Amino acid sequence: DTGVSQDPRHKITKRGQNVTFRCDPISEHNRLYWYRQTLGQGPEFLTYFQNEAQLEKSRLLSDRFSAERPKGSFSTLEIQRTEQGDSAMYLCASSLVGRRVETQYFGPGTRLLVL
Amino acid sequence: DAKTTQPPSMDCAEGRAANLPCNHSTISGNEYVYWYRQIHSQGPQYIIHGLKNNETNEMASLIITEDRKSSTLILPHATLRDTAVYYCIVLLRSSGNTPLVFGKGTRLSVIA
Repeated sequence: DTGVSQDPRHKITKRGQNVTFRCDPISEHNRLYWYRQTLGQGPEFLTYFQNEAQLEKSRLLSDRFSAERPKGSFSTLEIQRTEQGDSAMYLCASSLVGRRVETQYFGPGTRLLVL
Repeated sequence: DAKTTQPPSMDCAEGRAANLPCNHSTISGNEYVYWYRQIHSQGPQYIIHGLKNNETNEMASLIITEDRKSSTLILPHATLRDTAVYYCIVLLRSSGNTPLVFGKGTRLSVIA
């Protein structure tokens, strides 16, 4: 399968614990996005990378959240001191910038439940 | 905020065409219309996009009005597996651009 992959698919944690999610984009894609989706809502943008550079962060990305893409390939999203309000689906998408029209392709998501 | 308006839900009989409308009255000349869908508990799936001409691919057809203020996504022969939330999104044309802004979409239920 050459699509976007995310790991783990599900995570249950206790409030106050740290969690880390991984995203592997489509191999030739240079741009990688993170979104968050809560129940009944559409996905909301968190941050994105072009290659290894983090170019934009949304106001939703509090200081407990950090994302990295160290070699411009896979990315990790870490949440420190998790809160119950962090419970959501975390989605990763990738795209190839440089084409005339950029199309983002999504992974299956990581569903986080904070108890 | 999303720049599109969609009905919250629609039903469609299996085997019939599903026509999903989207209003984007403030769209500018360099913005594309994108459609994604999200089947329960999965990530959004890209369907199709267009600028001003009608477009067709193996999944669907996209009809954009001449004034570009609205569009319709057509699934020609809906199946039960097409039950999903469908999102209409406008996005600036030039590459390397903004993240997707999702609204609440249309929940399509295909009924046997």
